[in-house]
Amino acid sequence: KQEVTQIPAALSVPEGENLVLNCSFTDSAIYNLQWFRQDPGKGLTSLLLIQSSQREQTSGRLNASLDKSSGRSTLYIAASQPGDSATYLCAVSPPGGGNKLTFGTGTQLKVEL
Amino acid sequence: SAVISQKPSRDICQRGTSLTIQCQVDSQVTMMFWYRQQPGQSLTLIATANQGSEATYESGFVIDKFPISRPNLTFSTLTVSNMSPEDSSIYLCSVDLITGVQETQYFGPGTRLLVL
Repeated sequence: KQEVTQIPAALSVPEGENLVLNCSFTDSAIYNLQWFRQDPGKGLTSLLLIQSSQREQTSGRLNASLDKSSGRSTLYIAASQPGDSATYLCAVSPPGGGNKLTFGTGTQLKVEL
Repeated sequence: SAVISQKPSRDICQRGTSLTIQCQVDSQVTMMFWYRQQPGQSLTLIATANQGSEATYESGFVIDKFPISRPNLTFSTLTVSNMSPEDSSIYLCSVDLITGVQETQYFGPGTRLLVL
C-alpha cells in the first residue's frame, strides 16, 4: 500500500527566504506526482505535476523535483512571500494514471512579514 | 481547466441525520471523484462516480453510508447518511482533465461538515 509522508508538518519562515518542502513515498511505481496548495475555505490548487519519466518541473518561483527510484520529491519555493502561506500537499497516482491519488498529510507553511 | 462548485460550503448537522452535497463542473467529464479530509488528516478517496453506472467505492467506504448520484456529465451528489461526529470532515469533489498528454486533477472548494 502506497504511503506518502511530508516533512516538515509545519514551517514558519520570514519573507524573502528560500525554502524546501519534502515529500517521500514508499512505492516507486507511480504514474505521476503532483504538488497542490490548499487555502482555508478553498479547494486544492494544482501547482506542479511531474510525470514519472521527468526529473523536475518549474513554474515561476516554484520548482519541483522527482527522484522516483528513491521515492522522494521536493518543492522549492524561491523568495517566499506572505501570499505563499498555505498548506502544501503532494500526491502520487498509481501506474496507469487515474485519479486514485494518495496524498501526504501536508506541510503548513507560514511566511511572515 | 475546470471550474468546480460545491453546495453547501459548510453545514452543522445533528447526529443521525443525512446531508447531500452537490458538485457542479463547468465542463463535461467522464469521472468525478469524492474525497474526505478528516481533521488533521490528508485526503482520502471515497469513491469514483461514473455517469450511467454505479459508483465505485474504495476500501472502507460503502454505498449505504455514502450514496452517490451522477445524473449527467457535469453534476454529482454525495450523501452522508446517518451521520455521527466521526463524519465531521471536509468533503471535496474532483475531476481530472486530459490536455494533450497531461492529466491534471481539479478540486472543488470543499464542503465543511460538522456533526454534533
